[in-house]
Amino acid sequence: KNQVEQSPQSLIILEGKNCTLQCNYTVSPFSNLRWYKQDTGRGPVSLTIMTFSENTKSNGRYTATLDADTKQSSLHITASQLSDSASYICVVSAANAGNMLTFGGGTRLMVKP
Amino acid sequence: SAVISQKPSRDICQRGTSLTIQCQVDSQVTMMFWYRQQPGQSLTLIATANQGSEATYESGFVIDKFPISRPNLTFSTLTVSNMSPEDSSIYLCSVGTGRAGELFFGEGSRLTVL
Repeated sequence: KNQVEQSPQSLIILEGKNCTLQCNYTVSPFSNLRWYKQDTGRGPVSLTIMTFSENTKSNGRYTATLDADTKQSSLHITASQLSDSASYICVVSAANAGNMLTFGGGTRLMVKP
Repeated sequence: SAVISQKPSRDICQRGTSLTIQCQVDSQVTMMFWYRQQPGQSLTLIATANQGSEATYESGFVIDKFPISRPNLTFSTLTVSNMSPEDSSIYLCSVGTGRAGELFFGEGSRLTVL
């Protein structure tokens, strides 16, 4: 069964600090992995999308890594800001008919001043 | 990217009634999807809205409860029928542009059933 597990479930950090969110998956065959940011009361917004051959991809202060061998991804946030407070969702796409998406449960990040 | 407008953004409904949510996209898109996000949970795919034909529903979701229309490549509706408090969720419209598998989401419709 395809699964995406995220850790931690929730995280509180101080403004200016760095943090790393984890995503482990068992989706097969693998197509791509996406990280989304979802502000409270809003729809998810894409941060990065990574294919099998990509190890690292950055989007401003967000850097995603992918290890396709161990089926792990991480999202690193540098110099956190209050506006980074949100849920971060890892989504893995299967390379089969319909490119089925499997959603992780998300990590709820709170950045405090 | 695609700009997605959902209406209503939120509503409070009585048990047993039905509500139709609209999704309008600013450009023609091949793929449109409807998701449900229950409180504190991640997203669950309800169905794929197919233009000109019946929607494709995921396991656990049926057409009688969640009828979907997609009359053209820019518009779709999701109806939540005969609502109960368990239907209280955020319902999200999503579109795929086909470019690198990118998926865009609307702002969601927050439904509360009393």
